[in-house]
Amino acid sequence: EAGVVQSPRYKIIEKKQPVAFWCNPISGHNTLYWYLQNLGQGPELLIRYENEEAVDDSQLPKDRFSAERLKGVDSTLKIQPAELGDSAVYLCASSLRLYTEAFFGQGTRLTVV
Amino acid sequence: QKEVEQNSGPLSVPEGAIASLNCTYSDRGSQSFFWYRQYSGKSPELIMSIYSNGDKEDGRFTAQLNKASQYVSLLIRDSQPSDSATYLCAVNTFDNDMRFGAGTRLTVKP
Repeated sequence: EAGVVQSPRYKIIEKKQPVAFWCNPISGHNTLYWYLQNLGQGPELLIRYENEEAVDDSQLPKDRFSAERLKGVDSTLKIQPAELGDSAVYLCASSLRLYTEAFFGQGTRLTVV
Repeated sequence: QKEVEQNSGPLSVPEGAIASLNCTYSDRGSQSFFWYRQYSGKSPELIMSIYSNGDKEDGRFTAQLNKASQYVSLLIRDSQPSDSATYLCAVNTFDNDMRFGAGTRLTVKP
């Protein structure tokens, strides 16, 4: 069974440019998370989806970040415009349902210059 | 107060020793608890989950949960150099989100 797939693995962009990250969760997993991880810190939750519904986006900086999960499967996280402080690793994880084990993709390392 | 707290370490143990990693959480309504291992430059990898009070063993790993004390721990027996990594504690909290501690960096010295 394929794991969580994220793309791209690495992205370097200039500040003020837009960027998008894509996540394909494990088949059948209803819950999808987007996390941000800075060096030396634990993952910080940005948004959680239950199927296609964003049930918690309170940590998502809505002035520049947006996300969607079409048909309750793949998800896209977008930043527009990017700032230097957005440089981090963006992680996607999925779980079968709430309270169960979550599995992570390889992550996207974003560098904003 | 952070929702999930871990000692940041670093924790250093000799090869073959027991490594003990600790985690406390603030939400008494938390339902599920996880330990992840993260090697440098890699994404977190699930190693243990625990849902009820007591111990759960899986090979060299034992997770311990005490909901009354809001405390969860991970013991690694017969530690190996390949266990050197950052260990992340994760908790499903009151708002049903899975939140992480900052992680404890473990070094196992040959």
